[in-house]
Amino acid sequence: DADVTQTPRNRITKTGKRIMLECSQTKGHDRMYWYRQDPGLGLRLIYYSFDVKDINKGEISDGYSVSRQAQAKFSLSLESAIPNQTALYFCATSDFYGGRGEQFFGPGTRLTVL
Amino acid sequence: SQKIEQNSEALNIQEGKTATLTCNYTNYSPAYLQWYRQDPGRGPVFLLLIRENEKEKRKERLKVTFDTTLKQSLFHITASQPADSATYLCALGLSLYSSASKIIFGSGTRLSIRP
Repeated sequence: DADVTQTPRNRITKTGKRIMLECSQTKGHDRMYWYRQDPGLGLRLIYYSFDVKDINKGEISDGYSVSRQAQAKFSLSLESAIPNQTALYFCATSDFYGGRGEQFFGPGTRLTVL
Repeated sequence: SQKIEQNSEALNIQEGKTATLTCNYTNYSPAYLQWYRQDPGRGPVFLLLIRENEKEKRKERLKVTFDTTLKQSLFHITASQPADSATYLCALGLSLYSSASKIIFGSGTRLSIRP
């Protein structure tokens, strides 16, 4: 987990607030991902980025936006948080040229929207 | 519709026995399949990958099979130990090398090994 860090680890906020979750990695990987995890629903992809100039929507991007500030940094924003965005959020990285598609996950951010 | 299904119920196994977890999928043609372990409050950790042209892969006490006809993968832990208790996620990789490559995760199976 130390190679992929997420801040904050826990956040409680109110409906309508703007929230930013940050992810940094020292693995030198080009690819970065944001997932959310809800009980019984598994990990669902929000956004992914294959390099600094490449941003793609995942299956549940509505209500979220991202910024890839550098190869090592990928931020997720909730423009106006709502209670059903309460979830565990994970950032992940992978190395395209590794060929295995293995993803390395951060420790997660537990977000509660009241 | 496209689906990935894992054992919805938690699996309770006696220590020393073999634990077998199932991952079934529909309307996908994965290039490969991965298994991850997730402990409470932590991110998933990669365990094994098996490609579409491989039938079986082993790593220490772990064994994965992949049957593209049945659209199923089985994940086995032999000589199970209480430390193996965790949630196990399967994930389908839709393309190994193209720029469209990404992974679709199942919801996971919680495994408990009792002493």
